[in-house]
Amino acid sequence: EPEVTQTPSHQVTQMGQEVILRCVPISNHLYFYWYRQILGQKVEFLVSFYNNEISEKSEIFDDQFSVERPDGSNFTLKIRSTKLEDSAMYFCAIRPRGGNSPLHFGNGTRLTVT
Amino acid sequence: TQLLEQSPQFLSIQEGENLTVYCNSSSVFSSLQWYRQEPGEGPVLLVTVVTGGEVKKLKRLTFQFGDARKDSSLHITAAQPGDTGLYLCARVGGNEKLTFGTGTRLTIIP
Repeated sequence: EPEVTQTPSHQVTQMGQEVILRCVPISNHLYFYWYRQILGQKVEFLVSFYNNEISEKSEIFDDQFSVERPDGSNFTLKIRSTKLEDSAMYFCAIRPRGGNSPLHFGNGTRLTVT
Repeated sequence: TQLLEQSPQFLSIQEGENLTVYCNSSSVFSSLQWYRQEPGEGPVLLVTVVTGGEVKKLKRLTFQFGDARKDSSLHITAAQPGDTGLYLCARVGGNEKLTFGTGTRLTIIP
């Protein structure tokens, strides 16, 4: 059973629309991360989220992006006014509580902006 | 930006052959991880190396961390079709933030 489930698995949206990508951990975790992988390119860090606030974000994570835990369980990435270049796989990762635990990645959401 | 260069970018070999892929950086790693990613899935952690010169084995996979902690290699013995995938090295930063390398896409031909 995966540590984290991402929904939807594939999202198609028109340019300019808003999308919300969801990440549901199997149990309570402290650290959450979003990564992006544009087709054929490397996996890039977007943002880390600790104790219900952003702890670090990359240059990619501009005002178009936001993250939150609306109900204390789900972890969401919102992309406002999507652009063609936002098309990518978006991976959520979690870090279990305790020690130097490694990250567990979800299977990703493929976002296609047309 | 601390770039991680992986080589080769693509590798296609016959089942049963041996192979080595590399991960290089101009700066020192505090720790480095290797991941395998299959189509439609997220990266899956294979190993973490921390100490310069460290060697770790995972069945037919051997991971080596350079003495200066600026490079690492992954050697696969007797490759099998199930080894096919994208192999990623990653620098581990504060709060486990990962900076991934450019990746090696490996294809094992039955």
